[in-house]
Amino acid sequence: AQSVTQPDIHITVSEGASLELRCNYSYGATPYLFWYVQSPGQGLQLLLKYFSGDTLVQGIKGFEAEFKRSQSSFNLRKPSVHWSDAAEYFCAVGGTTSGTYKYIFGTGTRLKVLA
Amino acid sequence: GAGVSQSPSNKVTEKGKDVELRCDPISGHTALYWYRQSLGQGLEFLIYFQGNSAPDKSGLPSDRFSAERTGGSVSTLTIQRTQQEDSAVYLCASMPRISGANVLTFGAGSRLTVL
Repeated sequence: AQSVTQPDIHITVSEGASLELRCNYSYGATPYLFWYVQSPGQGLQLLLKYFSGDTLVQGIKGFEAEFKRSQSSFNLRKPSVHWSDAAEYFCAVGGTTSGTYKYIFGTGTRLKVLA
Repeated sequence: GAGVSQSPSNKVTEKGKDVELRCDPISGHTALYWYRQSLGQGLEFLIYFQGNSAPDKSGLPSDRFSAERTGGSVSTLTIQRTQQEDSAVYLCASMPRISGANVLTFGAGSRLTVL
């Protein structure tokens, strides 16, 4: 079955520190992978996506993610966190398996940034 | 429209009442999804529509939930005889067509509170 695991429910970092949010997936075919961010009271905004090609993808707001097929992972990173990055982050996997088109989301990681 | 529009943004209802939540997707987007986000949970897939094809209703949690999409555009999610466990944020998303190599664009959501 398709699934996405985000093992960290909450993460707290100091402003200016580096950040890595973990995402592991289970998928029966070549996955399409996404990271979304949700600020309080807002919908989800796409940070970046991986479809094919270079396994290191760049996104908006200085975020990047690396697809590692051997580890079934798609971790999100940022070298220096800003206070405005405090939000909830969702990893998602999508695509077609057996003719279905469901995009499966993880349970999210809530990021807190200390001044 | 420029983005995915959802209404109402907030709805408070009494247990046992019916509610309707509306989604107006981006103009020209043929695929439309509904998700439910409960407190502390990830996004739970409910249903998706693609053009004039039969919708995939496999995520609807009970027969109290139904959705329709008129004219291939606006969608309405109806919850009959609401229960307290239905309290959640209901998110709508659209994309140009069903394809794994595509991106969901989300609305801001409708927050439902059942008293």
